[in-house]
Amino acid sequence: GAVVSQHPSWVICKSGTSVKIECRSLDFQATTMFWYRQFPKQSLMLMATSNEGSKATYEQGVEKDKFLINHASLTLSTLTVTSAHPEDSSFYICSARPTGNTEAFFGQGTRLTVV
Amino acid sequence: GIQVEQSPPDLILQEGANSTLRCNFSDSVNNLQWFHQNPWGQLINLFYIPSGTKQNGRLSATTVATERYSLLYISSSQTTDSGVYFCAVRMNYGGATNKLIFGTGTLLAVQP
Repeated sequence: GAVVSQHPSWVICKSGTSVKIECRSLDFQATTMFWYRQFPKQSLMLMATSNEGSKATYEQGVEKDKFLINHASLTLSTLTVTSAHPEDSSFYICSARPTGNTEAFFGQGTRLTVV
Repeated sequence: GIQVEQSPPDLILQEGANSTLRCNFSDSVNNLQWFHQNPWGQLINLFYIPSGTKQNGRLSATTVATERYSLLYISSSQTTDSGVYFCAVRMNYGGATNKLIFGTGTLLAVQP
């Protein structure tokens, strides 16, 4: 199957700082990538859809100014958590789907801890 | 929006036992996938199964799209099967940006 790589796997940051998470499709191009957040013992919740060359589409209740998404190429999307607070601590996972393929593949996830 | 419910929410099995996990969804879908989330959080693709039946080793899955449910069968369970199982669906719209919506999950623990 297709490979999606996410970096870093885990990060600890101080309150008020910003953190960038990268999501790369290693062996395919993806015009669209998706960012999810998962709190402990809960399901994955879609945060936003990342569109190559255009603005991201955010789900209701997700602050676009806090979670900045950039999709500058067909193989890379980034999620920046700005002015992080402890309540932003969570597991963030990205997903991509090869063009013409309907099966989605996921990165390894990034565990963010804000102290 | 579409509701995706999984049952049971928790399941404890003895090694070697069989189990059936269920995924119900409230609207028409054109894509359904089953995933296993391992203890490190990685989502492992098990099946892409918008309809019909597929088998892969000890696992098999069946989706009856007209009745809006899917089943995941695990036979001869092993301790390595432990983890959370998710189904995820994409609604029956056109376009590449359709979202994959996740179910509530089933936490499986297989005891030796």
